Amino acid sequence: DTGVSQDPRHKITKRGQNVTFRCDPISEHNRLYWYRQTLGQGPEFLTYFQNEAQLEKSRLLSDRFSAERPKGSFSTLEIQRTEQGDSAMYLCASRNLAGAWETQYFGPGTRLLVL
Amino acid sequence: SQQGEEDPQALSIQEGENATMNCSYKTSINNLQWYRQNSGRGLVHLILIRSNEREKHSGRLRVTLDTSKKSSSLLITASRAADTASYFCATAPTSGTYKYIFGTGTRLKVLA
Repeated sequence: DTGVSQDPRHKITKRGQNVTFRCDPISEHNRLYWYRQTLGQGPEFLTYFQNEAQLEKSRLLSDRFSAERPKGSFSTLEIQRTEQGDSAMYLCASRNLAGAWETQYFGPGTRLLVL
Repeated sequence: SQQGEEDPQALSIQEGENATMNCSYKTSINNLQWYRQNSGRGLVHLILIRSNEREKHSGRLRVTLDTSKKSSSLLITASRAADTASYFCATAPTSGTYKYIFGTGTRLKVLA
């Protein structure tokens, strides 16, 4: 499978715990996005990487959230001291450099439930 | 909210009918994209229309773009039960950001 993969697909955690999600983009894609989606809403942008550089972060990304893409390949999104309001689907998307703005390819998402 | 708005929020039609959903956005754009999302799954790209294009077709899909009104429409012709999903528009702003801005979505139900 050469699509975007995310792991885990589901995560249940208790409030106050830390969680980490992983995204593996399509191999030749150097641009990677994280989004958060709550029930009944569209995806909301969290952060963007070009290769290993994090070029943009949303104000939604509080200091409890951190994202990395250490070698310009896979990326991780960590949430520290989780809160019930963090419960959402976390989506990763990637695209390549060709063209100024082109199609994003989404992974299946990680559904987080904070109890 | 930075999100665009989609209209209607929900739509229920019979199989074989056409479905039209609309998207309005706020900023100048490079392009606008439509995505489909089946329940609880990731998003699947359907079609991209650039700011200098007015209409685009792909199979049973027809997309229009009116940059003067900052709006787009997605028409699905001869709908099938398998088209049941949520549909989102996403805009790529012309400047100042790398992010795509998604609308709130239209939930389409096609009854067999």
